[in-house]
Amino acid sequence: QKEVEQDPGPLSVPEGAIVSLNCTYSNSAFQYFMWYRQYSRKGPELLMYTYSSGNKEDGRFTAQVDKSSKYISLFIRDSQPSDSATYLCAMSKGTGRRALTFGSGTRLQVQP
Amino acid sequence: DGGITQSPKYLFRKEGQNVTLSCEQNLNHDAMYWYRQDPGQGLRLIYYSQIVNDFQKGDIAEGYSVSREKKESFPLTVTSAQKNPTAFYLCATTAGDLGNQPQHFGDGTRLSIL
Repeated sequence: QKEVEQDPGPLSVPEGAIVSLNCTYSNSAFQYFMWYRQYSRKGPELLMYTYSSGNKEDGRFTAQVDKSSKYISLFIRDSQPSDSATYLCAMSKGTGRRALTFGSGTRLQVQP
Repeated sequence: DGGITQSPKYLFRKEGQNVTLSCEQNLNHDAMYWYRQDPGQGLRLIYYSQIVNDFQKGDIAEGYSVSREKKESFPLTVTSAQKNPTAFYLCATTAGDLGNQPQHFGDGTRLSIL
């Protein structure tokens, strides 16, 4: 079983829809949670960075962390065709020298 | 501009050949990482380095080697021992390596077998 599970999609929505992207994880030691957006043939771009449980909002994006359920979400309001990309969740334990643990990514398509 | 530069963008390897992927950063970040990305598998850690002249194996280090002679540079060599090298390779950096810093990525190198 992978430490971080993410539905690969593709998820197809009409322009203007609210998008919900999710990851579940098994290791309760994870404390820092990130969402990255990756366009085709490009490197991942950091969208949201949160610590512990709660919500964080940045423009059209809201990140939500529920540590009791080991579940994180990214909501995109008023989705645009330019949001079409692969979205990767990532997390870390906050200590030690190791890098991030990534989900496999969800491919999102926003139809105009 | 501050950033992470990976080169080349595309690379082709012949059988039995070693190839080196370049990663340069001018962010003055201490830690640097190499990941491999395959379709449907997310990013897997190959090697990471916290300081100059120090580096550690990640989860899939076999068939790869690295060096960290300068803070700005962390080249990755894909050796002939790596039997399945076709993938998208990503270099990343963080300001520190406490595990609580977000990572920033370059735009990758796509490696293919000739």
